[in-house]
Amino acid sequence: GEDVEQSLFLSVREGDSSVINCTYTDSSSTYLYWYKQEPGAGLQLLTYIFSNMDMKQDQRLTVLLNKKDKHLSLRIADTQTGDSAIYFCAEGSGFGNEKLTFGTGTRLTIIP
Amino acid sequence: NAGVTQTPKFRVLKTGQSMTLLCAQDMNHEYMYWYRQDPGMGLRLIHYSVGEGTTAKGEVPDGYNVSRLKKQNFLLGLESAAPSQTSVYFCASSWTEAYEQYFGPGTRLTVT
Repeated sequence: GEDVEQSLFLSVREGDSSVINCTYTDSSSTYLYWYKQEPGAGLQLLTYIFSNMDMKQDQRLTVLLNKKDKHLSLRIADTQTGDSAIYFCAEGSGFGNEKLTFGTGTRLTIIP
Repeated sequence: NAGVTQTPKFRVLKTGQSMTLLCAQDMNHEYMYWYRQDPGMGLRLIHYSVGEGTTAKGEVPDGYNVSRLKKQNFLLGLESAAPSQTSVYFCASSWTEAYEQYFGPGTRLTVT
């Protein structure tokens, strides 16, 4: 079955860039997502990328996809205290496959 | 729009008791999902529905039942609660499998 893996923890100094990594196994993945979960809340979609793209940039967020290595990363520039959260990578095969597979989540801690 | 709401927010059950978690969405989404979130394990899909009157099993369906009698509601039932079902439960909805999933705020369930 599909598997999505992430490191559990990441600590970054305020103002530095954060890079959260994810690897997945399903070669038929069409969509790859990054969700953010703040304490005590549900998940919110941050950004997503189609599998035919290498990179997507959205303000402070940059998503890089290496489809050959099945590796996805999320870079947050100028990390702020409000970025403290758990970040989940998820993959989906799109039309015809109703389910997303989520990673374990990476807890990002900001050091002042 | 309220988005996705979940009732209750917290619940403590004794082993063997039953309960129903309610999820409601006001976005006219076809697809609805129930996940459980456990430390270090990410989100795991329990059951899902691709439309009113339909349900399907996810990754960890044992011990749970679901119903989707109305398009806007998706109910998750525990017939005989066990301590292993202590978790945070999230409901989500989406237009189709290829679109963003919107998450509710979660229900924290403790089974003693």
